[in-house]
Amino acid sequence: LAKTTQPISMDSYEGQEVNITCSHNNIATNDYITWYQQFPSQGPRFIIQGYKTKVTNEVASLFIPADRKSSTLSLPRVSLSDTAVYYCLVGSSNTGKLIFGQGTTLQVKP
Amino acid sequence: DGGITQSPKYLFRKEGQNVTLSCEQNLNHDAMYWYRQDPGQGLRLIYYSQIVNDFQKGDIAEGYSVSREKKESFPLTVTSAQKNPTAFYLCASRALTSSYEQYFGPGTRLTVT
Repeated sequence: LAKTTQPISMDSYEGQEVNITCSHNNIATNDYITWYQQFPSQGPRFIIQGYKTKVTNEVASLFIPADRKSSTLSLPRVSLSDTAVYYCLVGSSNTGKLIFGQGTTLQVKP
Repeated sequence: DGGITQSPKYLFRKEGQNVTLSCEQNLNHDAMYWYRQDPGQGLRLIYYSQIVNDFQKGDIAEGYSVSREKKESFPLTVTSAQKNPTAFYLCASRALTSSYEQYFGPGTRLTVT
């Protein structure tokens, strides 16, 4: 499974757009990229997933360049409640096995 | 209400005792997963199962055991062989026919003294 690397922490202010980039240099052809959000003492919550180009849903956008060696999660106009840990994962389509890294702790300030 | 339940939320045990953590889902998902999370760390995969009566080791299976006798249930036993069992344990499930979205339970915080 492809290992992912993302920044340990990021700070932002309410109303700003936040972009968190993840690198996954040895991603395999069948792998999808998935992002989760986790609040303290809770299970992670699925945010978005993609294979290539751009995916958008009601909470975030995911940008994946053509070589798929990285991806960027974009959170528009963050609020204090978006303070959480964000995980980038690369999943195998064969096993469904997901490997969580250390994640990025996002701190949104007023 | 569909979802995943884990019980209990907090569990205390003495060193040397085996303990079983419960995980039940009514989402009709085929795959189920157990993760361990230590303070300030990401999740680490212990075991996963994609079908009843079959399961695979994750990255840190030593000292743990599981069973998958029913589609809805995937209990995890933390044995006395697990050197550092105190952690936050999370169970998840996924429908194999859909995306990689895993649904997580609320977690069980196990403290062994």
